Amino acid sequence: RKEVEQDPGPFNVPEGATVAFNCTYSNSASQSFFWYRQDCRKEPKLLMSVYSSGNEDGRFTAQLNRASQYISLLIRDSKLSDSATYLCVVNRVNSGYSTLTFGKGTMLLVSP
Amino acid sequence: EPEVTQTPSHQVTQMGQEVILRCVPISNHLYFYWYRQILGQKVEFLVSFYNNEISEKSEIFDDQFSVERPDGSNFTLKIRSTKLEDSAMYFCASSPGDEQFFGPGTRLTVL
Repeated sequence: RKEVEQDPGPFNVPEGATVAFNCTYSNSASQSFFWYRQDCRKEPKLLMSVYSSGNEDGRFTAQLNRASQYISLLIRDSKLSDSATYLCVVNRVNSGYSTLTFGKGTMLLVSP
Repeated sequence: EPEVTQTPSHQVTQMGQEVILRCVPISNHLYFYWYRQILGQKVEFLVSFYNNEISEKSEIFDDQFSVERPDGSNFTLKIRSTKLEDSAMYFCASSPGDEQFFGPGTRLTVL
């Protein structure tokens, strides 16, 4: 099983649509969880951290289910500028030092 | 807003040559990282660095790789003898603790 697995995509949606991304992770010792977005040939940019209680930032909502080792990201009222690859990222802390494990990403294409 | 910076943005080198990729992390961050991303593939962890020493490294980070913090601001990745398969985007990241912030990357092309 891959360490971090995401929907393969791409997702093609019209402006204004709601889109959901799913992610599962294999290492139950993982401690922190994030969604990053990556534009073509650019660096990953932190979108939001994901907490067990769920968290929302404007049009973006992230959920974490530790028992199922499942993370989700919901984007409401999608904009053209949301077009990017969304990376599910899991942080493993070992002796106080953390390493990020990335999923391969799910590409989102929002069309007019 | 403070940012991680990296130079050069693009480096072209011949196989077998040494390259040094440079990064300036965000000034009050204590943890530093290098990642790489081969075209079309996922971002992969290479090495983490804290308190002037390597804290963890992946199996990719073999003896050809080294990192250094030569002064209070720069953080470098050296590849001693580049191979064709080292061609990738190399990202530096820094962190105050949990969240990591990435630089714009250096695209390394090995011919």
